[in-house]
Amino acid sequence: GQNIDQPTEMTATEGAIVQINCTYQTSGFNGLFWYQQHAGEAPTFLSYNVLDGLEEKGRFSSFLSRSKGYSYLLLKELQMKDSASYLCAVYGNNRLAFGKGNQVVVIP
Amino acid sequence: DAGITQSPRHKVTETGTPVTLRCHQTENHRYMYWYRQDPGHGLRLIHYSYGVKDTDKGEVSDGYSVSRSKTEDFLLTLESATSSQTSVYFCAISESGQISNQPQHFGDGTRLSIL
Repeated sequence: GQNIDQPTEMTATEGAIVQINCTYQTSGFNGLFWYQQHAGEAPTFLSYNVLDGLEEKGRFSSFLSRSKGYSYLLLKELQMKDSASYLCAVYGNNRLAFGKGNQVVVIP
Repeated sequence: DAGITQSPRHKVTETGTPVTLRCHQTENHRYMYWYRQDPGHGLRLIHYSYGVKDTDKGEVSDGYSVSRSKTEDFLLTLESATSSQTSVYFCAISESGQISNQPQHFGDGTRLSIL
């Protein structure tokens, strides 16, 4: 099976940088996705990593280390609208499994 | 935004009644998925479809059935609803299947309460 672990909640100040971690255990790893989900809304796709290293997309960056079973999502220049749950999802064992999500609360 | 419409958006029903949720897409994507989302759990796959009339079970398929008679529509049926099936249900679509860099795109969800 797959095991995906994310911290449950964190608070950060507007304008700051926040790092959201995801550790996973799976066989046949074939990629990792990050999604953003605002309360009461659908998850929306943020980034995809399959090779080791950093992928940058504007204010958001995602990093992957396959040997460590570890990924992080970096949010820079935090804005109030970034308050949301961030979901890590791993392709392994021929299926996509989601973590429980990390709730980020941005305060002024 | 991906053209995915879920209906109904909200439903309250009683234990033992049948319930059907509909997912409609305008993207002509081959793959469609039904998930449920509950507090303390990640999104969990119920069933998915890889083409018209081609479906398979996910990790929490007991008590649910699906049908896909057209590319654009994927139906989820609870034959006899139970309180444990109270949840938020999301439909998702993707161009390619599981082993792919193509992300899944989600509908707005259906909030289902079973009393």
